[in-house]
Amino acid sequence: GAGVSQSPSNKVTEKGKDVELRCDPISGHTALYWYRQRLGQGLEFLIYFQGNSAPDKSGLPSDRFSAERTGESVSTLTIQRTQQEDSAVYLCASSLFVSGDLYNEQFFGPGTRLTVL
Amino acid sequence: RKEVEQDPGPFNVPEGATVAFNCTYSNSASQSFFWYRQDCRKEPKLLMSVYSSGNEDGRFTAQLNRASQYISLLIRDSKLSDSATYLCVVKPGGYNKLIFGAGTRLAVHP
Repeated sequence: GAGVSQSPSNKVTEKGKDVELRCDPISGHTALYWYRQRLGQGLEFLIYFQGNSAPDKSGLPSDRFSAERTGESVSTLTIQRTQQEDSAVYLCASSLFVSGDLYNEQFFGPGTRLTVL
Repeated sequence: RKEVEQDPGPFNVPEGATVAFNCTYSNSASQSFFWYRQDCRKEPKLLMSVYSSGNEDGRFTAQLNRASQYISLLIRDSKLSDSATYLCVVKPGGYNKLIFGAGTRLAVHP
């Protein structure tokens, strides 16, 4: 079946502009995650959505970052007033949610490569 | 101190070699552990979960030492197709997010 999809695949923007990144999770996956990967570094957790529960926003680096999710489908990550340090690959992942399952696999999308000039 | 630390490598090995990667994590309350593989400019994909008793999947063996907060991955009979970055990943207790190490790069040459 279809995997996680993200758009756009590449985004070049000027410092100070707002950008919106989109994620379509695997159908039926109630959990959705956003991560950021700077060049040569590991992935950093940003935000987690699960069903109708309040999202875990603990990884958002500043109030310029926000994310929304419509029901159990599409999510958008918005970065306002972009800065050069926001340049990174933004990866979305989704998973099934099974209470108590410590090993449920997260499936990643191909990412959006953001370059802030 | 980073939450998950790995030797960045690169490890350059010939085909057929055995190679081992190590990883340490700082949060003793971490509940579950994984190795992900990431090819150049691609998304990470789960290689294997790491269980307390250790586990094997073909040429890959993963070990966990909770007392030392240490995880390892052993690759036997390396193939050219094993060339990638291997990410050590930890799930903290009570959370669904994953904490990633920066990765260890492996290059297998003929």
